[in-house]
Amino acid sequence: KNQVEQSPQSLIILEGKNCTLQCNYTVSPFSNLRWYKQDTGRGPVSLTIMTFSENTKSNGRYTATLDADTKQSSLHITASQLSDSASYICVVSASRSFQKLVFGTGTRLLVSP
Amino acid sequence: DGGITQSPKYLFRKEGQNVTLSCEQNLNHDAMYWYRQDPGQGLRLIYYSQIVNDFQKGDIAEGYSVSREKKESFPLTVTSAQKNPTAFYLCASSIVTDFTGELFFGEGSRLTVL
Repeated sequence: KNQVEQSPQSLIILEGKNCTLQCNYTVSPFSNLRWYKQDTGRGPVSLTIMTFSENTKSNGRYTATLDADTKQSSLHITASQLSDSASYICVVSASRSFQKLVFGTGTRLLVSP
Repeated sequence: DGGITQSPKYLFRKEGQNVTLSCEQNLNHDAMYWYRQDPGQGLRLIYYSQIVNDFQKGDIAEGYSVSREKKESFPLTVTSAQKNPTAFYLCASSIVTDFTGELFFGEGSRLTVL
């Protein structure tokens, strides 16, 4: 069964600190992996999209890594800000179509002042 | 500005009533999608459409219906047959053939059954 598991489920960090969110997947075949940020009560917004051949991708203070061999990805947030408080969702594509996206349940991050 | 507009933001429904959620996009995307989001669960696909006048069932289509009469619009009707309709509903769109491209989401509609 295609699954995406994220850890931790929730996380609280102090403003200015770094953090890393984890995503493990058992999706096959693999097409690409996405990270989304979702503010409470809002729609998800794309942070990064990585294909099989990409190991690292950055978007400002957000850096995603992908290890296709171990089927793991991480999202590293540097110098956190209060506005980083949100849920972060890992999404893996099981084929070359959007109809086969497998969504994780997300990590809820709270950045405390 | 280009984007996806969902309305209403909040909707309350009595049991036995049908309700329709609106989704409009001005991104000129061919493909549109409806997802359902429940606490503690990943997004689940309800319906999708890759071209006008055509749509396909997703993983949880029972109790829902859609139409795609215009490229810009993809309304979702939650029927009385949906046993547990209280959820956050998200509309999305994409370029059909760009599988590594963006999937854009609207701001969502929260439906509560009273």
